[in-house]
Amino acid sequence: DGGITQSPKYLFRKEGQNVTLSCEQNLNHDAMYWYRQDPGQGLRLIYYSQIVNDFQKGDIAEGYSVSREKKESFPLTVTSAQKNPTAFYLCASRGTQAGGETQYFGPGTRLLVL
Amino acid sequence: GENVEQHPSTLSVQEGDSAVIKCTYSDSASNYFPWYKQELGKRPQLIIDIRSNVGEKKDQRIAVTLNKTAKHFSLHITETQPEDSAVYFCAAVRRALTFGSGTRLQVQP
Repeated sequence: DGGITQSPKYLFRKEGQNVTLSCEQNLNHDAMYWYRQDPGQGLRLIYYSQIVNDFQKGDIAEGYSVSREKKESFPLTVTSAQKNPTAFYLCASRGTQAGGETQYFGPGTRLLVL
Repeated sequence: GENVEQHPSTLSVQEGDSAVIKCTYSDSASNYFPWYKQELGKRPQLIIDIRSNVGEKKDQRIAVTLNKTAKHFSLHITETQPEDSAVYFCAAVRRALTFGSGTRLQVQP
């Protein structure tokens, strides 16, 4: 867990504004993931990337975008098209070597709409 | 895609009792099943996992069982303690984690 960092811890978004959440890992993991958690709910997959310069939509990708230009970084942009962005956003990473199924989570970013 | 159902949504036990949480999954290709514990406002923490070629795994007071034929797996916590109080999530993995909806466990002193 300590090898994954997210910033900021809290983020406020105004109407019509795009905001970007940072996720960095120093675990040399190939795969990275973004999840959204609403209060009292489980985690839902937004986007994931299994290798640099490649990413796939998850279950709730609409209104979000990502990039994976570097192995250690997987930023998430919440666009103005996401009409209900208030949630807890969790980034995770996973090694893809044999037996490396375990996903480790960052500390999360709580996004609030002003 | 994968669908994971988790029951019960809330569970209250007395300290020292056992707690059991059950999950079912839909994708027979899922091959890895982790359990996470999440305390309020914190990140999920892996507590135990099981791979599809194993039927049961234990780690001190925690155990997980897997029935691939029936596509269900369960978390068992024995001798519960107040610090076990949290939300527990099961998940099934093929390419990414698909989570259950969570179980809020309350251990009464």
